[in-house]
Amino acid sequence: EEQLVESGGGLVQPGGSLRLSCAVSGFTFSNYWMTWVRQAPGKGLEWVASIKPDGSEQYYVESVKGRFTISRDNAKNSLYLQVNSLRAEDTAVYYCARTWSAFDIWGQGTMVTVSS
Amino acid sequence: EIVLTQSPGTLSLSPGERATLSCRASQSVSNNYLAWYQQKPGQAPRLLIFGASIRATGIPDRFSGSGSGTDFTLTISGLEPEDFAVYYCQQYGSAPFTFGPGTKVDIK
Repeated sequence: EEQLVESGGGLVQPGGSLRLSCAVSGFTFSNYWMTWVRQAPGKGLEWVASIKPDGSEQYYVESVKGRFTISRDNAKNSLYLQVNSLRAEDTAVYYCARTWSAFDIWGQGTMVTVSS
Repeated sequence: EIVLTQSPGTLSLSPGERATLSCRASQSVSNNYLAWYQQKPGQAPRLLIFGASIRATGIPDRFSGSGSGTDFTLTISGLEPEDFAVYYCQQYGSAPFTFGPGTKVDIK
């Protein structure tokens, strides 16, 4: 069964950092683009970043450029999102998603709360 | 950036009725790379439709997508109790891969 499991969320002060992880199983991770999508409480979905199968290209939404870094370790079947210089508006559930025919498989999400 | 607008914001219907949801793009969506997702409270989104009209694996045939260019439609032909949820359209043809604001389908 194809599965994505996020971890690493939590409560962090403004300006702080976290590293989100997404552990993948049930499919050949190295064949797929992967993506992070977030959802602020009570709000809609926002695409955050995507990465090519070999990690050689990354794309980001403008609001996180220079602060967030998407990466992957194909040997460990894992996707990461390093989130730095966090702001209150980054508070959200962060989902990882396999990216092939659109975003076809999603994890359950990990909550990031930015508050003092 | 392609801006997606969904209408209506809320659709109040009864089980068995037909639901028609609209998604309009501010510019043409490349290769009709338009997807629809369903999200229920406390759950991750689920892919329903990709490529504007192709049902994802395991999606019942009461869900259908149509449209091209800038105007797209999701139709649910005969609402089941489990279909009451929020529906998002998304374009994945060009970065940033934007989502619409969603349409909530609730029980009348």
